[in-house]
Amino acid sequence: SQTIHQWPATLVQPVGSPLSLECTVEGTSNPNLYWYRQAAGRGLQLLFYSVGIGQISSEVPQNLSASRPQDRQFILSSKKLLLSDSGFYLCAWGTSANEQFFGPGTRLTVL
Amino acid sequence: DAKTTQPTSMDCAEGRAANLPCNHSTISGNEYVYWYRQIHSQGPQYIIHGLKNNETNEMASLIITEDRKSSTLILPHATLRDTAVYYCIVRVTISGYSTLTFGKGTMLLVSP
Repeated sequence: SQTIHQWPATLVQPVGSPLSLECTVEGTSNPNLYWYRQAAGRGLQLLFYSVGIGQISSEVPQNLSASRPQDRQFILSSKKLLLSDSGFYLCAWGTSANEQFFGPGTRLTVL
Repeated sequence: DAKTTQPTSMDCAEGRAANLPCNHSTISGNEYVYWYRQIHSQGPQYIIHGLKNNETNEMASLIITEDRKSSTLILPHATLRDTAVYYCIVRVTISGYSTLTFGKGTMLLVSP
């Protein structure tokens, strides 16, 4: 069966520091991968999606970037965090039937 | 993607059926209706989806009106663990990739 991992589970970072969140998927090949953010009291916002290695599409302009160095690895990064980057970050993978399955999430607090 | 309208919150007694409505009056012919839920501090969980026929699985039933402008998610026997935010999403199924646009959803509170 398929499994999706995210780490770390929680993270507290100062403003201006770099960020790297990692997501890996097991049990499937060439999945579509997604990064979402959920700010407090708001719905999920799609940040990036990827249909293959090195292929990244961005939904909204922002302070973040994403990379997909391997088929089942998706990384969310920032060179300098802002206060507004705080939130709950979720990685998801999608099936050909367009169901999406989410990881456990990373709660990021920028101070 | 078509926009959806859901009530902000709903209450349901444990053991009773929970009926969660969703309006999607601008839905087009090739757009599916998807339902997800998110329990506090967890990632969203896929529940069910449909195009125009009613659907049922082990979690819930989805009733879509004949004109497809609204739908209802039914949890037949709600439990305390069904307390969550429920999202109704209308989107096009695209070969190769697809994205989801989540609104604010309905907060369902199941009480003893």
